[in-house]
Amino acid sequence: DSGVTQTPKHLITATGQRVTLRCSPRSGDLSVYWYQQSLDQGLQFLIQYYNGEERAKGNILERFSAQQFPDLHSELNLSSLELGDSALYFCASSGRGGGNTIYFGEGSWLTVV
Amino acid sequence: AQSVTQLGSHVSVSEGALVLLRCNYSSSVPPYLFWYVQYPNQGLQLLLKYTTGATLVKGINGFEAEFKKSETSFHLTKPSAHMSDAAEYFCAVSETQAGTALIFGKGTTLSVSS
Repeated sequence: DSGVTQTPKHLITATGQRVTLRCSPRSGDLSVYWYQQSLDQGLQFLIQYYNGEERAKGNILERFSAQQFPDLHSELNLSSLELGDSALYFCASSGRGGGNTIYFGEGSWLTVV
Repeated sequence: AQSVTQLGSHVSVSEGALVLLRCNYSSSVPPYLFWYVQYPNQGLQLLLKYTTGATLVKGINGFEAEFKKSETSFHLTKPSAHMSDAAEYFCAVSETQAGTALIFGKGTTLSVSS
């Protein structure tokens, strides 16, 4: 158990819809990361938040957005969903310590039909 | 920009044989390097990491990796494969600064036959 909790574990929704994925980082971790894993793109870094502020942006679509709340949990919002958005979405977190170890949750499986 | 190349999307070995998974990186600054493992329907688990110091790094489950700056490589090895090692393995790189995102390679699926 990494200590990173993601909900829901599985989600099936229709094209054009909007979903929200939720993540609780490990206790005390200030950084939260979102990754997308798909067969064709592999593991893609989407976005990072640090203590409520956006820190880095990767290959995140404009239809996607995220935020980190004062209690440090984070949400990834996916809108106007397309079939190609079907993927496993990981949340990860890291602390202030050196070595930059990032701990991953078990992921949220999103299927768009 | 940083990048990672994992040579071989699929590696097959026999139980008891040497495991060698290759990883080369590109980074304009000294990197932190990582290997993660993903078992079916699970998240990513850290196997080992290189930050500073000794270039031969030992991880969990008998795996180790050696950082070779001259070759920009961080290959993962295990002397004797077990059936339970069958999984997908990801090499990743980040900048040497706490709190920077990991950039992953495309992964290598390891199959172990009896």
